[in-house]
Amino acid sequence: GQNIDQPTEMTATEGAIVQINCTYQTSGFNGLFWYQQHAGEAPTFLSYNVLDGLEEKGRFSSFLSRSKGYSYLLLKELQMKDSASYLCAVRPRGGGSQGNLIFGKGTKLSVKP
Amino acid sequence: EPEVTQTPSHQVTQMGQEVILRCVPISNHLYFYWYRQILGQKVEFLVSFYNNEISEKSEIFDDQFSVERPDGSNFTLKIRSTKLEDSAMYFCASSSGGQLNEKLFFGSGTQLSVL
Repeated sequence: GQNIDQPTEMTATEGAIVQINCTYQTSGFNGLFWYQQHAGEAPTFLSYNVLDGLEEKGRFSSFLSRSKGYSYLLLKELQMKDSASYLCAVRPRGGGSQGNLIFGKGTKLSVKP
Repeated sequence: EPEVTQTPSHQVTQMGQEVILRCVPISNHLYFYWYRQILGQKVEFLVSFYNNEISEKSEIFDDQFSVERPDGSNFTLKIRSTKLEDSAMYFCASSSGGQLNEKLFFGSGTQLSVL
C-alpha cells in the first residue's frame, strides 16, 4: 500500500525554527515534494528532493533519506504568514503520469507571536 | 507568475445531477491533472491527461467521471450523476512535462457541495 505520515498539528513561535517530519512507504519512489497550503487555497510548491541530503531554498530547507523513507521540512525565522498546512507528497513513479503525487494529510502549523 | 484558473469557485448541486468543473491550465503546459480534497482529509489524485488522452487514473475516477480538453485552452472534469460523497474541493493542476523535479501548478479549486 501507499502511506505517508506526518504530524497533524504543530505550533511554533515567530522567529523560531520548526521541523516538520514526514515518513513514507510507497510502492515506488521518484521524488518527494513539499507543498504549502493556506486555508481554502491551492497548494503551492515549496521543494523537491529525489536524492539523499539537504536542499536549501531561502528560509526553507528539505531533507531526504531514501533508505529510511524519511523527509523533513525545516522552516527558519518563522513569520506569521507561515501559518498554513504543509503537505508532504511522494511521486511513486515517473513516466507518462509525471504528476501523480500521493499526499500526506498535511501538518497544520500555527505561528504564534 | 502564470496561473491555473478554475471556475466556478463554488458549485452547489443536487444529488444525481451532472456537474462540469472547468479549468484553464497554464498555456504552454502539456500535462493536466485533477485532484480532490474532502474537507479535513488529504489531497487525492484523480486523473492525469496528456496528448488528449488519460494517462493515468485512480480508483476514485470511476465511470461517473470523465475529462475532456474541448479546445486548446480548457480542461474539464465532468461528474455524470453526483453523489453526496463527491462533495469536496476539486483542484486542477498542470505541469510543463518531462522532468521528474518539475512542480505542479494548482488552481485555486472548485468547492463542490452535493445536497
